Amino acid sequence: GAVVSQHPSWVICKSGTSVKIECRSLDFQATTMFWYRQFPKQSLMLMATSNEGSKATYEQGVEKDKFLINHASLTLSTLTVTSAHPEDSSFYICSANPPGTTYEQYFGPGTRLTVT
Amino acid sequence: AQSVTQLDSQVPVFEEAPVELRCNYSSSVSVYLFWYVQYPNQGLQLLLKYLSGSTLVKGINGFEAEFNKSQTSFHLRKPSVHISDTAEYFCAGIQGGSEKLVFGKGTKLTVNP
Repeated sequence: GAVVSQHPSWVICKSGTSVKIECRSLDFQATTMFWYRQFPKQSLMLMATSNEGSKATYEQGVEKDKFLINHASLTLSTLTVTSAHPEDSSFYICSANPPGTTYEQYFGPGTRLTVT
Repeated sequence: AQSVTQLDSQVPVFEEAPVELRCNYSSSVSVYLFWYVQYPNQGLQLLLKYLSGSTLVKGINGFEAEFNKSQTSFHLRKPSVHISDTAEYFCAGIQGGSEKLVFGKGTKLTVNP
């Protein structure tokens, strides 16, 4: 149980375009999901906390207008990178807490974004 | 300030040897502690967690960790590693007063034949 999926697993887009990444909890409902960014050979950096039915909470330094988060249902959160630039190229990972667990986050497989 | 510190960025070890990956946490992190493993181009998989109770925690794949409050440490150990254990390992803790995970910088474990 507690499976989190992401789609797509990798995406290449041109500079200036927008790209949407989906995060789904497959076998549980998640009122909260988390979005992380990971640069090569580095740790995970929390970008934002996605809350179902309300606005996301962004970490300091993360541009909310550039990284749009929508938690449309209890099983789906989306991250849209708007007007992408090469510096946005990174590995994006989402996670969620299954009900009944204590702070235990289950992670998606990640999405590799390359902006050309 | 770094709340979770992984002291070794890389740990090479021979197959079937024991290994310890070190992790220390600061007071800004609660004592809910986790170890995750990440294989190349994949997400993170939970190895084990400490929430309360016994300070020796056993996880998947033969790993275990010991919570030591006096030394503010949560080191990960395995008595005999396999080639397949080669991966990046992250220690993490819950930031005090929130649900947010704070990660260490990771330790790259390389198991050589």
